[in-house]
Amino acid sequence: EPEVTQTPSHQVTQMGQEVILRCVPISNHLYFYWYRQILGQKVEFLVSFYNNEISEKSEIFDDQFSVERPDGSNFTLKIRSTKLEDSAMYFCASSSDWSSYNEQFFGPGTRLTVL
Amino acid sequence: GENVEQHPSTLSVQEGDSAVIKCTYSDSASNYFPWYKQELGKGPQLIIDIRSNVGEKKDQRIAVTLNKTAKHFSLHITETQPEDSAVYFCAAPLAAGNKLTFGGGTRVLVKP
Repeated sequence: EPEVTQTPSHQVTQMGQEVILRCVPISNHLYFYWYRQILGQKVEFLVSFYNNEISEKSEIFDDQFSVERPDGSNFTLKIRSTKLEDSAMYFCASSSDWSSYNEQFFGPGTRLTVL
Repeated sequence: GENVEQHPSTLSVQEGDSAVIKCTYSDSASNYFPWYKQELGKGPQLIIDIRSNVGEKKDQRIAVTLNKTAKHFSLHITETQPEDSAVYFCAAPLAAGNKLTFGGGTRVLVKP
C-alpha cells in the first residue's frame, strides 16, 4: 500500500540553525501539507501546497518557514532559524484531490528537537 | 474562531466494552469528518471518515455518527481490544479550504 515517508525520523539542532525536513508524498497525489504536533498537544495545520505554490498557511507559518517541491517526488519544509518553541513532531500529509471530502494521508513524522 | 472540541481527553475501558468519543465543530459548512488513530511514535492513521450526506457509517467494530444540526460527530468502538489503545483524533475542514482542524485527542486505554 502506498504511503507517505519522512526523513529524518529525529532531528536535533541548535537554536538559530536551519533545518530541512523531507517528505515523499504518495506518488499520484497532487496536494501536500505540513502539520505539527507539540508534545501532548493537538495536531496543528501549518501549510498546504499545490502546483508549486502555497495554497493556505496558518499564522504559525511565518517568515522563518518555507516549503518547496524541489523535484518530482520530494516535498520539504525549511525552518530558517530555529527557536526552542519549534520543537515538535512535524507531519507531512498528501491527498489526491483538493476537495474537502478528500482523505489526507499522514507520514510517520519527524521529531525536531531544538536545543 | 473556528474550532473542534473533543471529549473525553482520556478514556479507560475494560476489554470487550465499548468506547465512545465525541466531537463538536463550529463551522456549519464543514462536510467531511475523519477520525485518526495515533499510536506511540507514529503519525495519525485514518481509521474511518464520514461525509455530510450520511448520518452513520460502520466498518467492522468502528462506527461514526454525524448530527449536522447539532454540529457534532462521534466515534464508537465496540468489543474493544488491547490493540485499540491509542490516541484518537477527530478532525474537520473548517472555514474555506481543506486544511484539517484537529480535536484535542482522546487517549484510550483498553485494560485486558
